Amino acid sequence: GGIITQTPKFLIGQEGQKLTLKCQQNFNHDTMYWYRQDSGKGLRLIYYSITENDLQKGDLSEGYDASREKKSSFSLTVTSAQKNEMAVFLCASSRQGAASDYTFGSGTRLLVI
Amino acid sequence: GDKVKQSPSALSLQEGTNSALRCNFSIAATTVQWFLQNPRGSLMNLFYLVPGTKENGRLKSAFDSKESYSTLHIRDAQLEDSGTYFCAAATSSGQKLVFGQGTILKVYL
Repeated sequence: GGIITQTPKFLIGQEGQKLTLKCQQNFNHDTMYWYRQDSGKGLRLIYYSITENDLQKGDLSEGYDASREKKSSFSLTVTSAQKNEMAVFLCASSRQGAASDYTFGSGTRLLVI
Repeated sequence: GDKVKQSPSALSLQEGTNSALRCNFSIAATTVQWFLQNPRGSLMNLFYLVPGTKENGRLKSAFDSKESYSTLHIRDAQLEDSGTYFCAAATSSGQKLVFGQGTILKVYL
């Protein structure tokens, strides 16, 4: 079986700081996703990538950059952290877009002070 | 409006009872996935469905693409079934799932 790993698990940043979150999968999946989840809310898509070096914007891409330099990894950058921001960032992968089942990582919990 | 609408938004069940969660779609859904997010925040994939039904232990799910809805039935609810259930739909042209807002389930003794 495979695994999808997100690092770090917890991230405390300062206002205005650039912060990078990483996601690695060993399923050999083509498609990878980044979602943001605010407390008690649903999932909002930030960026996704259908293959290596591909990037597609989601509904919430403003304020974020992403990079898919290798098939197995997908990183997300918060370009300027907002004070008092608190959210969970979830990475997912699938073999072939939405036509196959998604597997999620365990999340990165962000707090900006 | 919401493209994927889940109901109810929250539900309390006594251990051992049965219930059903529902998703209605205002998009032309071709496949549906159901997820459970446990209280620690991890999301687990429960079902991937084309039109039809699937069963796994005490869980059974159905997807009717013509009537644009999906259901998740929980039989003999257990404490460990507590968490937030999300459904998500894919369309034939999409590379991404459209998620509902979730149903928060609490199972009590």
